[in-house]
Amino acid sequence: AQKVTQAQTEISVVEKEDVTLDCVYETRDTTYYLFWYKQPPSGELVFLIRRNSFDEQNEISGRYSWNFQKSTSSFNFTITASQVVDSAVYFCALKVAGNQFYFGTGTSLTVIP
Amino acid sequence: EAGVAQSPRYKIIEKRQSVAFWCNPISGHATLYWYQQILGQGPKLLIQFQNNGVVDDSQLPKDRFSAERLKGVDSTLKIQPAKLEDSAVYLCASSLGRGYYEQYFGPGTRLTVT
Repeated sequence: AQKVTQAQTEISVVEKEDVTLDCVYETRDTTYYLFWYKQPPSGELVFLIRRNSFDEQNEISGRYSWNFQKSTSSFNFTITASQVVDSAVYFCALKVAGNQFYFGTGTSLTVIP
Repeated sequence: EAGVAQSPRYKIIEKRQSVAFWCNPISGHATLYWYQQILGQGPKLLIQFQNNGVVDDSQLPKDRFSAERLKGVDSTLKIQPAKLEDSAVYLCASSLGRGYYEQYFGPGTRLTVT
């Protein structure tokens, strides 16, 4: 069975703190893709990053970084020096063979000024 | 570049009534998705189209939900008859297809069934 678990329901941090959002996935497929999306209060999901199962290289984009570890089936997302504009719900998602997509339940991040 | 368009943005209906949602994907995107997002949950994929053909509809409640994508562009999702548990945000997304799986989402339609 395929599954995405985001154990952190809500996180609050003070502005400029670093924060890591956890994502653990389950799949028996050897080829799969992992994604992170941001859903700000306006409601529209915004694509952040895609990783395929054969590429474990970590990625950094500005204040955002992603750590993909197949050994622990995790794809964690870190925001460095958080800002108020980072306040949103963040979703981790998994795509497996057969064109099915699975989203986690999301982590609501609040950055306090 | 214009994003994914959806209408209406909000809809309130009584149970057992019918409702339809419309989606216009990003120009050139071959793949179109409909998701249901219940409050406090992640999006759940209902149906996926590749051009005008259905790729996956395994989670679509076919006794009451239907969707079409005529001419491989716009799509319509219908619920008939609606139940209270259908209250949710219905999201449309599109992607280029052909190995590009990044999805771009529309603003959604918030449905309330009373």
